[in-house]
Amino acid sequence: EAGVAQSPRYKIIEKRQSVAFWCNPISGHATLYWYQQILGQGPKLLIQFQNNGVVDDSQLPKDRFSAERLKGVDSTLKIQPAKLEDSAVYLCASSSGPNGRVDLWSGYTFGSGTRLTVV
Amino acid sequence: GENVEQHPSTLSVQEGDSAVIKCTYSDSASNYFPWYKQELGKGPQLIIDIRSNVGEKKDQRIAVTLNKTAKHFSLHITETQPEDSAVYFCALNDYKLSFGAGTTVTVRA
Repeated sequence: EAGVAQSPRYKIIEKRQSVAFWCNPISGHATLYWYQQILGQGPKLLIQFQNNGVVDDSQLPKDRFSAERLKGVDSTLKIQPAKLEDSAVYLCASSSGPNGRVDLWSGYTFGSGTRLTVV
Repeated sequence: GENVEQHPSTLSVQEGDSAVIKCTYSDSASNYFPWYKQELGKGPQLIIDIRSNVGEKKDQRIAVTLNKTAKHFSLHITETQPEDSAVYFCALNDYKLSFGAGTTVTVRA
């Protein structure tokens, strides 16, 4: 099966500019996640979607970050305006449980990520 | 999120030797413990997982052990090879993954 697709692979922007990342999960996976991975750290969850609804966005800096998953398939993550501390790899992952619900035992499939550098 | 501590942060081993990475957690309700491998420029990839009703699981050269009483679990890689060089993350899955800080493993030829 095709993996999780993300674009772009790299992005360099100046602080206060805006940027958007795109993710196409594995076909049929109802749950989609965006993670932020700062250099030298483990990934940190930003937002979790179940189909096109938000399940958890408690760690999303909502004053500057937004995300949507229209039609329950593709998703976009936007940062506006960007700060220097937003420099990181943004990872998208998807998973599928029984009947399309979140499954505690399901492994996640990650995309290769988008490396964002804010200068 | 759930707190997961991972040690060591870096590990250098001679090819053919074993590597062991340990993680501890605080939430006794945690029931699923996956391990991910991340190679340079790629996303994390699930390599092995263990559920709370199992004490040990093996898959060829890798194994994971779980001690729920002590709240720690470990990854064991035997007969290490150069392609095992990567960053390894332990995680907890409580309907969302919480990752440890990662261990950079270097296998010396």
